[in-house]
Amino acid sequence: EPEVTQTPSHQVTQMGQEVILRCVPISNHLYFYWYRQILGQKVEFLVSFYNNEISEKSEIFDDQFSVERPDGSNFTLKIRSTKLEDSAMYFCASNTQGPWGYTFGSGTRLTVV
Amino acid sequence: KQEVTQIPAALSVPEGENLVLNCSFTDSAIYNLQWFRQDPGKGLTSLLLIQSSQREQTSGRLNASLDKSSGRSTLYIAASQPGDSATYLCAVGGAGNNRKLIWGLGTSLAVNP
Repeated sequence: EPEVTQTPSHQVTQMGQEVILRCVPISNHLYFYWYRQILGQKVEFLVSFYNNEISEKSEIFDDQFSVERPDGSNFTLKIRSTKLEDSAMYFCASNTQGPWGYTFGSGTRLTVV
Repeated sequence: KQEVTQIPAALSVPEGENLVLNCSFTDSAIYNLQWFRQDPGKGLTSLLLIQSSQREQTSGRLNASLDKSSGRSTLYIAASQPGDSATYLCAVGGAGNNRKLIWGLGTSLAVNP
């Protein structure tokens, strides 16, 4: 069964540093997403990406965040200057055009120290 | 604004019991609803997807129902096993093109041998 692959599984970074979280969505999917889950809280929508551009973003997704699909297969989330409150599990997901559900990756646990 | 609530927050049962987990949402204009399983510190595994036009879906010992007009879904787990111990998350897909998911906080289930 096709999978969404995320790397790394765990990243520790110092406050103020830039991090890039990587995802390889399912190849024939058209919609790509990032969600995050702060420990003990609900999973939250960050951003959706379709046709090589952001289609929707949440209030969380401010100027510190950016997404790219640089080579047609990878889908990255960049946080420019990490803050302690960015510590969370970040999930990548993809979806087809049609009445199907999401496929999620296994997540990247980001720890900002 | 869509809000998703799950009851109970936690549940501890002996092995073999039949269980009902509840999910409610405030805006009935949904595209679909998905139930996920999350093991501690791990990713999101899709269990069942119900389209807005459907009433229920079944997979093995799991059955999910949807009553869109009343804003409710239930996940029924038959003959529970210790391996079912996990957090169960309900997520509602919006009716817009992006179909972003709005999540409940989950029900933490412990099935005791």
